[in-house]
Amino acid sequence: DVKVTQSSRYLVKRTGEKVFLECVQDMDHENMFWYRQDPGLGLRLIYFSYDVKMKEKGDIPEGYSVSREKKERFSLILESASTNQTSMYLCASRTRRQGGTGELFFGEGSRLTVL
Amino acid sequence: AQKITQTQPGMFVQEKEAVTLDCTYDTSDQSYGLFWYKQPSSGEMIFLIYQGSYDEQNATEGRYSLNFQKARKSANLVISASQLGDSAMYFCAMRGPNTDKLIFGTGTRLQVFP
Repeated sequence: DVKVTQSSRYLVKRTGEKVFLECVQDMDHENMFWYRQDPGLGLRLIYFSYDVKMKEKGDIPEGYSVSREKKERFSLILESASTNQTSMYLCASRTRRQGGTGELFFGEGSRLTVL
Repeated sequence: AQKITQTQPGMFVQEKEAVTLDCTYDTSDQSYGLFWYKQPSSGEMIFLIYQGSYDEQNATEGRYSLNFQKARKSANLVISASQLGDSAMYFCAMRGPNTDKLIFGTGTRLQVFP
């Protein structure tokens, strides 16, 4: 079974703390993504990566950074957490290989609360 | 710019009835892909169905079908014979050509009642 694993389901952090959200996939996928999900806003893309050490900004990158040192791992970093970053964070991956639908495979999500 | 619009924040349907969830999209590209995902209350996103812009037939997967009307730029999800387990959020998404990104709509919450 394909698997995308996010390190924490629930986190509570204080304003100004540095926060790491980790994501690991076991499918040898080239692409990895970080979305945040907020009620009424759907899923919005923060950052994505199409290869090791390669990254590209999504639609809402401000306040976030990412790291992809290994193909299977994609980390989202909040350098200084703020209350408006309280949200559900979803990691996803997909293959770039031809054939198939190229759908995203998602992790279970990490619900972050910043106090 | 590409955009996905889901105008129904919530829908109710009785068990065993069919339901249509609306999705319209905006793109100037000729080649694109459309996706539907289900998100139960547990939070995981489950891929349901895919339609390519050049596919001549509407996609079907079991009880799910995608009513693709290219000229109207709509990609509605039809769920036949609804079940209580279909209660969830449903998201429509699109990927354009030469991009790895999927953009999502705001979602529709479907509730199936007995």
